Amino acid sequence: AQSVSQHNHHVILSEAASLELGCNYSYGGTVNLFWYVQYPGQHLQLLLKYFSGDPLVKGIKGFEAEFIKSKFSFNLRKPSVQWSDTAEYFCAVWGGAGNMLTFGGGTRLMVKP
Amino acid sequence: SQTIHQWPATLVQPVGSPLSLECTVEGTSNPNLYWYRQAAGRGLQLLFYSVGIGQISSEVPQNLSASRPQDRQFILSSKKLLLSDSGFYLCAWGKGGGKETQYFGPGTRLLVL
Repeated sequence: AQSVSQHNHHVILSEAASLELGCNYSYGGTVNLFWYVQYPGQHLQLLLKYFSGDPLVKGIKGFEAEFIKSKFSFNLRKPSVQWSDTAEYFCAVWGGAGNMLTFGGGTRLMVKP
Repeated sequence: SQTIHQWPATLVQPVGSPLSLECTVEGTSNPNLYWYRQAAGRGLQLLFYSVGIGQISSEVPQNLSASRPQDRQFILSSKKLLLSDSGFYLCAWGKGGGKETQYFGPGTRLLVL
């Protein structure tokens, strides 16, 4: 079965710091990759997605992610975080047996003003 | 544009009581529909999905069931709730196909006492 790992469960940063959240998956075949964000008290929202093409994907609010097939990774980055980026971030991967969307355990980001 | 609704937003139920959570989607037809449970630190776990009216697939055997009586309506039920059914339940929809993106509802927080 597909598995998705987010190694950082909690991250605390100061405003203007750079962010990188790790995401690794297990399935070696064709995958679709997603990052979702859940701001406090809000819906789970799509941040960005990768299906094919340029492995560097740009999303909303200045976020980007890079698909590195050889490393089975899809890390999320932002050059300079803001207090409003405080949220929980989920990596999700579609692919593998059953073709279901599998989520990582999430990373809680706190940005200190 | 498409919207997805879930109700109730919060529910407190005694052990052994029945459950019915409802999800409806507007602005699209013949969507794939999904029920997930979100647990802290463990991401989202897929419970059920449906590709059409009356078609339900279960991913995890448990005390819950799902039904799809109409094209854009998805219901999560239980005849007798257990304490372990407490959690945050999310409904999602997608258009299907190999490049599906799933969009999530606001969720229902269920507390079983």
